[in-house]
Amino acid sequence: AQSVSQHNHHVILSEAASLELGCNYSYGGTVNLFWYVQYPGQHLQLLLKYFSGDPLVKGIKGFEAEFIKSKFSFNLRKPSVQWSDTAEYFCAVNTGTASKLTFGTGTRLQVTL
Amino acid sequence: DTAVSQTPKYLVTQMGNDKSIKCEQNLGHDTMYWYKQDSKKFLKIMFSYNNKELIINETVPNRFSPKSPDKAHLNLHINSLELGDSAVYFCASSQDRAFSGNTIYFGEGSWLTVV
Repeated sequence: AQSVSQHNHHVILSEAASLELGCNYSYGGTVNLFWYVQYPGQHLQLLLKYFSGDPLVKGIKGFEAEFIKSKFSFNLRKPSVQWSDTAEYFCAVNTGTASKLTFGTGTRLQVTL
Repeated sequence: DTAVSQTPKYLVTQMGNDKSIKCEQNLGHDTMYWYKQDSKKFLKIMFSYNNKELIINETVPNRFSPKSPDKAHLNLHINSLELGDSAVYFCASSQDRAFSGNTIYFGEGSWLTVV
């Protein structure tokens, strides 16, 4: 069965610091990869997604992620975080055999002024 | 207009009660889902329907019964509520089954508290 690991459970950064959140998945076949963000008290919003093509994917709000197939990773990056990026970030994967998204446990990002 | 809408947004109820959460999507999607987010923020799929047909049932207690009257609606009925049912329930939809690479869009969530 597919699974997703997010090793950073809680990250605290100062404004303007660079961000990298780790995401690893376990599945040997074709995958579709997603990052969702959940702002406090709100629903999940799609940040970016990878289906095929260029492994470096750019999303909304200055976020990007790189799919490295050999490492089974899809890390999320942002060069300079803002206080408004404070939120919970979820990595998710679906595969050719499953009609569902499997989520990681989430990373809580706290950006301080 | 909200693409995936759920009602109610907040629900506080006593143990043993029966309650329903309704979901509607106006995106013209064929597939709808219910996800549960627990107190530790862990998201797990519960059910998925494609064109009103159940395609995923992830070992959810049979106190939970989804109903899809048409492909734009997927309601969740919960019987005999228990304390452990307290969670945020997210409805979602996608154009087709998720493995086709379609994006899943989420509703705003329904915060259920069982006391």
